[in-house]
Amino acid sequence: GAVVSQHPSWVICKSGTSVKIECRSLDFQATTMFWYRQFPKQSLMLMATSNEGSKATYEQGVEKDKFLINHASLTLSTLTVTSAHPEDSSFYICSAVWGREGTDTQYFGPGTRLTVL
Amino acid sequence: QKEVEQDPGPLSVPEGAIVSLNCTYSNSAFQYFMWYRQYSRKGPELLMYTYSSGNKEDGRFTAQVDKSSKYISLFIRDSQPSDSATYLCAMSTGNQFYFGTGTSLTVIP
Repeated sequence: GAVVSQHPSWVICKSGTSVKIECRSLDFQATTMFWYRQFPKQSLMLMATSNEGSKATYEQGVEKDKFLINHASLTLSTLTVTSAHPEDSSFYICSAVWGREGTDTQYFGPGTRLTVL
Repeated sequence: QKEVEQDPGPLSVPEGAIVSLNCTYSNSAFQYFMWYRQYSRKGPELLMYTYSSGNKEDGRFTAQVDKSSKYISLFIRDSQPSDSATYLCAMSTGNQFYFGTGTSLTVIP
């Protein structure tokens, strides 16, 4: 149980284009999902908290107009990188919160590698 | 002071060794403690989840929580090359999550 998928796993795009990344909880419903980015050999950096049916909460320094997050259902959250540039190249990971042993913990997706040329 | 402190390593051990990974924290409101394993270019995988002080064992892995010292550990017995990964500790108040920076572990055959 508690499986989270991401699609695509790897995407290469031209500078200036927009890229959408999907995060799905496959066998549970998640009212809260998180989006992280991770540079090589660095720790996870929280970008935003996504709650179903409401606007995402962005961490300080993350441009909300550049990283559009939509949590349209209890099993799907999307991250759209708008007008991508080479500095947006990174590993993007989502997680979904699921109740376990009476409380919640995060289950991570496999990540999406974005390369902007 | 960071909420969660974790030694980034890198840590290199021979196959079969016992590995000890540790995190300290400052927020006494943390109630839930987790360890994740992350292989290169993969998402973190939940390894262990604990709630109270004490030990929790799962196969070769033992998670230990000492709330009085604000210190958690993950022990790996009979370490294998396949254990080579980055290990992240994480803590939660129930509403907010905090992650350590991760410890890079290499098990040498």
